[in-house]
Amino acid sequence: GAGVSQSPSNKVTEKGKDVELRCDPISGHTALYWYRQSLGQGLEFLIYFQGNSAPDKSGLPSDRFSAERTGGSVSTLTIQRTQQEDSAVYLCASSLGTYTQYFGPGTRLTVL
Amino acid sequence: SQELEQSPQSLIVQEGKNLTINCTSSKTLYGLYWYKQKYGEGLIFLMMLQKGGEEKSHEKITAKLDEKKQQSSLHITASQPSHAGIYLCGADGGNNDMRFGAGTRLTVKP
Repeated sequence: GAGVSQSPSNKVTEKGKDVELRCDPISGHTALYWYRQSLGQGLEFLIYFQGNSAPDKSGLPSDRFSAERTGGSVSTLTIQRTQQEDSAVYLCASSLGTYTQYFGPGTRLTVL
Repeated sequence: SQELEQSPQSLIVQEGKNLTINCTSSKTLYGLYWYKQKYGEGLIFLMMLQKGGEEKSHEKITAKLDEKKQQSSLHITASQPSHAGIYLCGADGGNNDMRFGAGTRLTVKP
């Protein structure tokens, strides 16, 4: 399909390990967003990429979190030295510079 | 999989008017989230409803969850230009994924 895809769909890791989550946005979409949703809570904004501009990192919860977007397309969210409180569903969305964001299915991260 | 349908798709109201946005699920709703989306910004979490009959308010925005109807409504009282944006409902899709409605685009004319 032509939607936003994320991988892996599920990731179980041990505390202290690093993880990488991948997002493939809809082709041609200039904006890409990362969110996370912890159990029983609303979406939490993490980071926003728009074209070639510097990303808005204001939502990253700590310096263990980083994200990059290569070639203006695929994005990787990296969490270093994972903690149990990092367990959540991580969602990616893309948009064509307009309001409407299209969401991927998410990656469910479990830190043991 | 669970599908969420929002209505209306777009809404234009005069400042000061009340409005309602609906979100209907194809399956039982165990939790329903409302978000607001502004251009160039991430989604803003408005509120979460978990129990049937639950009603929550934040400033001039009220949301209700009707489990029997598998529906939630978002009501804005005395709308202001600052309320303009896209309102999204979301729910746990039940398959380790999140589902969202298509959104309702709200325009408030001064």
